[in-house]
Amino acid sequence: GQQLNQSPQSMFIQEGEDVSMNCTSSSIFNTWLWYKQDPGEGPVLLIALYKAGELTSNGRLTAQFGITRKDSFLNISASIPSDVGIYFCAGFNYGGSQGNLIFGKGTKLSVKP
Amino acid sequence: EADIYQTPRYLVIGTGKKITLECSQTMGHDKMYWYQQDPGMELHLIHYSYGVNSTEKGDLSSESTVSRIRTEHFPLTLESARPSHTSQYLCASSAGQGIGELFFGEGSRLTVL
Repeated sequence: GQQLNQSPQSMFIQEGEDVSMNCTSSSIFNTWLWYKQDPGEGPVLLIALYKAGELTSNGRLTAQFGITRKDSFLNISASIPSDVGIYFCAGFNYGGSQGNLIFGKGTKLSVKP
Repeated sequence: EADIYQTPRYLVIGTGKKITLECSQTMGHDKMYWYQQDPGMELHLIHYSYGVNSTEKGDLSSESTVSRIRTEHFPLTLESARPSHTSQYLCASSAGQGIGELFFGEGSRLTVL
């Protein structure tokens, strides 16, 4: 079945540093999404991308939908302690069941003040 | 803020007990989902529903069952809990046009002794 390869698996960074994580797949997707999960909470949608090549920002976050439709990246600029959490990418294809929403395994981000 | 609620947040029970995890949303969303997540790990879809009286099994086989008698309510039931059911269960919902854009509850963390 479809799988998403999300990397890195974990990151330990200093406050103020920029962060970059990405997600790749052997299959194409119509939609790429990025979620963040705080400890003990449910994931929250950060950014949704609907077109190949689309570049979207949400505050300090920037995400891009790869031209090949097989990848996406998320950048966080000037990290702060509240950026700590697990970031999940997700890919979706129309025309199927909700089982076609595939999640990556997550990137765990730790920020040192 | 998303209006989707899960109860209980935490539950510790003995093997063989029947349990029901409640999930309610006040957004009028037709689509609802249950995901299973071990701490810090990926999300696995176990059930979903496209509307009242519609339920489907997800990608991960689960011994749990669900029902959808009302739009706003999507409970998950385990008839006889076992230690292997220990996990976090996340409920989510989405609007019809927001494919992939899920609103998650805070989760129910289940421990079976």
